[in-house]
Formats: sequence, structure tokens, C-alpha cells
Amino acid sequence: DTAVSQTPKYLVTQMGNDKSIKCEQNLGHDTMYWYKQDSKKFLKIMFSYNNKELIINETVPNRFSPKSPDKAHLNLHINSLELGDSAVYFCASSQGRTSGGRGTQYFGPGTRLTVL
Amino acid sequence: KQEVTQIPAALSVPEGENLVLNCSFTDSAIYNLQWFRQDPGKGLTSLLLIQSSQREQTSGRLNASLDKSSGRSTLYIAASQPGDSATYLCAVGRASGGSYIPTFGRGTSLIVHP
Repeated sequence: DTAVSQTPKYLVTQMGNDKSIKCEQNLGHDTMYWYKQDSKKFLKIMFSYNNKELIINETVPNRFSPKSPDKAHLNLHINSLELGDSAVYFCASSQGRTSGGRGTQYFGPGTRLTVL
Repeated sequence: KQEVTQIPAALSVPEGENLVLNCSFTDSAIYNLQWFRQDPGKGLTSLLLIQSSQREQTSGRLNASLDKSSGRSTLYIAASQPGDSATYLCAVGRASGGSYIPTFGRGTSLIVHP
């Protein structure tokens, strides 16, 4: 069984559109994350969410917003897509709310977003 | 602001060599350090997690050490194999309020040729 899954795997869209990427984890973890990996393979955290607290990387534009319908899901919504949003987006999860989610991180397979 | 540097950026070695990958970080107030591997077009797979109170962790042919005071970690790969070819990433975790924020290095791209 896949521990952390993301859909879609590939997403190609036009500039200005709004899109969502879904993430689900079946590990029972209480903390989930979104990362962006750019064309130079540099991985940067975008959000950390543990059901009560959302930590936003201050460099993330407010066009990006995480939505968590329940503990097992953290979806990423992106409004008014721009060319520079093209990247691979990874979802991850870890365990340990009382310790700030500091356990081992498990990553999803990634979603490659291409904005034309 | 935490900065994580990985050296070397790329490495190409013949099969069977013992390897050392380096990771350095600027802020020693960390909770843990994690080593990952990433295969082309795939997500990250956790290799080893070292808590701030620990000095090293071992798993099979892999050994990771942590020296918080000097801001360094090394990943040692014994008897390298072609299947070890991948990008190896180091991530240093810190606290922000009640949450945990990891900062990644840019990785070491490893090729082990037969």
C-alpha cells in the first residue's frame, strides 16, 4: 500500500488557471507538508500543517493555499498560475504532534506541474 | 536563517569504493538531521534520521554521523554498488513555534559505475 500518494502525477495547464493537487497519507501521521522542487532540484518547504497550526514559508505567494479536509489529506490549491510555478511539488508527512512532527518524513511521488 | 550545504555536488566512482558525503549547516540549534535518497523522477526515500541528542545512526551499509557543535554530518556508504546511484539529500530540522521546519541541502548526485 502506498504510504503517501499524490494526484495527479502530471499536470499541464495554461497561465492564469486555478488548479489543485491532492495528497493523502495512510500512515496515521499528524503533520503534513508541501514542498516545491525547482528545475535545479532544490527542495524548499512551502507549508507545514499539523491540524492546529499552519506554518507558511514567508516566500510562498498567497496564490498558494493548503486545504486539509481531515488529518489524512492536505491538498494544495494554486490560483492564477504563473510560468514560474512550473516545478515538481511533493507532499510529505511525519508523526509527532507533541514533538512538533519531528519524526521521519515520508514523501509522496511528486506532481510535475507545467504552466504554459 | 538555516543554510545547508552539501559537498561534493556530484561524485562518480567505480563499484566497491567506500564513500563519504558531507553536509554542513549554519545554525546548530537543530532537532534532528535526516538523510534521503532521490532517484530520477521519483520522490524522496528516508535513509537515516539522527536526533539532536544522537551522534550516529547505522542501517546496513550506511552510517550517518552528527556533530552539532561544528554543524556537520557525514553519510558513509560502504562498498558502493551501482544501485546506490541517486541524489542524496540532507535535511536539517528546527522548531518554529510548535511545528517542525526542515531545511534541505542541494544534494550530492552519485553515480557508481560497474
